[in-house]
Amino acid sequence: DSGVTQTPKHLITATGQRVTLRCSPRSGDLSVYWYQQSLDQGLQFLIQYYNGEERAKGNILERFSAQQFPDLHSELNLSSLELGDSALYFCASSSRTGERNTIYFGEGSWLTVV
Amino acid sequence: GDSVTQMEGPVTLSEEAFLTINCTYTATGYPSLFWYVQYPGEGLQLLLKATKADDKGSNKGFEATYRKETTSFHLEKGSVQVSDSAVYFCARGPNYGGSQGNLIFGKGTKLSVKP
Repeated sequence: DSGVTQTPKHLITATGQRVTLRCSPRSGDLSVYWYQQSLDQGLQFLIQYYNGEERAKGNILERFSAQQFPDLHSELNLSSLELGDSALYFCASSSRTGERNTIYFGEGSWLTVV
Repeated sequence: GDSVTQMEGPVTLSEEAFLTINCTYTATGYPSLFWYVQYPGEGLQLLLKATKADDKGSNKGFEATYRKETTSFHLEKGSVQVSDSAVYFCARGPNYGGSQGNLIFGKGTKLSVKP
């Protein structure tokens, strides 16, 4: 158990809909990261927050957004969903930014768009 | 751009066989290097890491050595078990002074160990 908690574990929704994925980082971790794992793109970094502020952005679509709240939990909002958004979405956390820090992953949220 | 390249799978071995999964990376600095493992139906687990040249990461019988001269971080295990069947991902951290925290992953190598 990494200590990173993600909900829901599984989600099925229709095209055009909007969903919110939730993440609770490890106790004390200030950085939260979101990754997307799909069959064709592999593991892709989406976005990072540090203590409530956006710190780095990767291959995140404009239809997607995220935020980190004062209690450090984070939400990833996915809107106008398309079939190609079906993927496993991972949240991860680390104790502080810095290239030598270790990132711990949650078990992921499986999103299926039908 | 910066990248991580892993040997393509799937890799199928018999129990107690020797395992090597090759991983090379590109970087302008000296990133930390990681191996993560994903067991069927589960999330990503950190298997081992190395933070500087010549460091050896090890865990559960797996080892990998940070080779700066060959920009490699190959994963090895002397005797695999059926329970090692999983997908293994090599990853690197940011270049020194660059974007902080996020990892760049290889495409993953699926390992199947037969009894």
